Formats: sequence, C-alpha cells, structure tokens
Amino acid sequence: EVQLVESGGGLVQPGGSLRLSCRASGFSFSNYWMVWVRQAPGKGLVWVSLINSDGSETTYAESVKGRFTISRDNANSALDLQMHSLGADDTAVYFCGRTSLEAAHADYWGRGTLVTVSS
Amino acid sequence: QLVVTQSPSASASLGASVKLTCTLSRGYSTFAIAWHQHQSEKAPRYLMRVKSDGSHIKGDGIPDRFSGSSSGSERYLIISSLQSEDEADYYCQTWHTATSWVFGGGTKLTVL
Repeated sequence: EVQLVESGGGLVQPGGSLRLSCRASGFSFSNYWMVWVRQAPGKGLVWVSLINSDGSETTYAESVKGRFTISRDNANSALDLQMHSLGADDTAVYFCGRTSLEAAHADYWGRGTLVTVSS
Repeated sequence: QLVVTQSPSASASLGASVKLTCTLSRGYSTFAIAWHQHQSEKAPRYLMRVKSDGSHIKGDGIPDRFSGSSSGSERYLIISSLQSEDEADYYCQTWHTATSWVFGGGTKLTVL
C-alpha cells in the first residue's frame, strides 16, 4: 500500500524558516518524481514544487522560487521542502504527492501538514 | 497562458448523476487533465486522467460510478449513483511540459 506521511508543520514567525518532510512507503521511491502542493485556508490546491526521481531536476512555482528548496533522500524514501523567508501567504496545508510516471499529476497523496505563519 | 476554470459549486440529489466541468484556456484544448477528489480533513485522492479524445484512465480502486469525457476544451467528470461520501471538493489539474502544474479553483459538490 502506497503511503505518504508529511511532518514538520507548525507555527512560525514571519520571515522565519521551516523544513517539511514526507516519508514514503509501499513503492519504489527512487523511480518516481515527487511533488509538493499546498492549500491555503478556504482556498484551492496550488502546485508548489516538483523533483525528478534522482533529485537532479527541480521546478518551483514563481511564488516560492528562491525561497523554497525541494530535495529527496532516495536511500531513506524521504522528500523534503526547506522553506525560508516565510510570509502570511505561505500559511497553508502542505501535501506531498507521488507523481504518475510521466510526472503529469499526482496519483497518491499524503494527508498534509499545516504551516501557520503568524507573529 | 494555461488556465483551468471550474465552477465553484455543484449539487445533485442522492442517487442521481452529476457532471462537473473543467475548461482549458484558449490554445490548450488538446491538453489532458487529471481529476482529484478532496474530502475535508482527508488526503486528496486521484480519480482519473482525461484526454482530449475523451478516453480516461482511472486511479487505483476508483469505482465504476466515476467516469470522464471531453468535448473541445472542456473535460468532464461524471459521477453516477451519487452517494453521501461523494460530497467533496473536486479539482481539475493539468501540466505544462512536466515542469509546471496548474490547478483549477475546484468545485464543491453538495449531495442533497
């Protein structure tokens, strides 16, 4: 059974940093691109970042480019999202997802972890 | 610019059918999309991919009540024999060269 479990969310002050993690199991992690998607309170899903299977290619939404870094540890089936210079607009539930083999969409999702940016 | 548009809300009666629509912006009518279901406090769930020719490929364990189709720049999610647990937000999503994803604003489905 494919499982994705996010962690690391919490309350952080504006301008602060936070590192999210996603632990994967039930599939061959190193074969898949992975994704982070977020949902601000009362809003819809928004794509944040993608990483290819070996970690050599990454892409970011314009809203997070230069502030967020996606990375992965295939040996431990782990996906991370390092977030810096956080602002109120970054307040959201962050979901990790396993992508389809063409990296076109997520085919499995985690339950998410809540990040709240507030003083 | 690649934009995906969805109606904010839809409703249908228990046991009935509903058709949700996702519209691709001009110039992108050949793009495939993916439908995702998101029930409150749960993980989103991938439902299916719908191509421009109307063919669709469903995710693991998705019931036969869920199907997809296409017409021009519109992609549809059809849910038949509506059940109370189908009440959720439904998101349409497409992708641009596998380096940029775009989500629609979502449709909140109410089962009456």
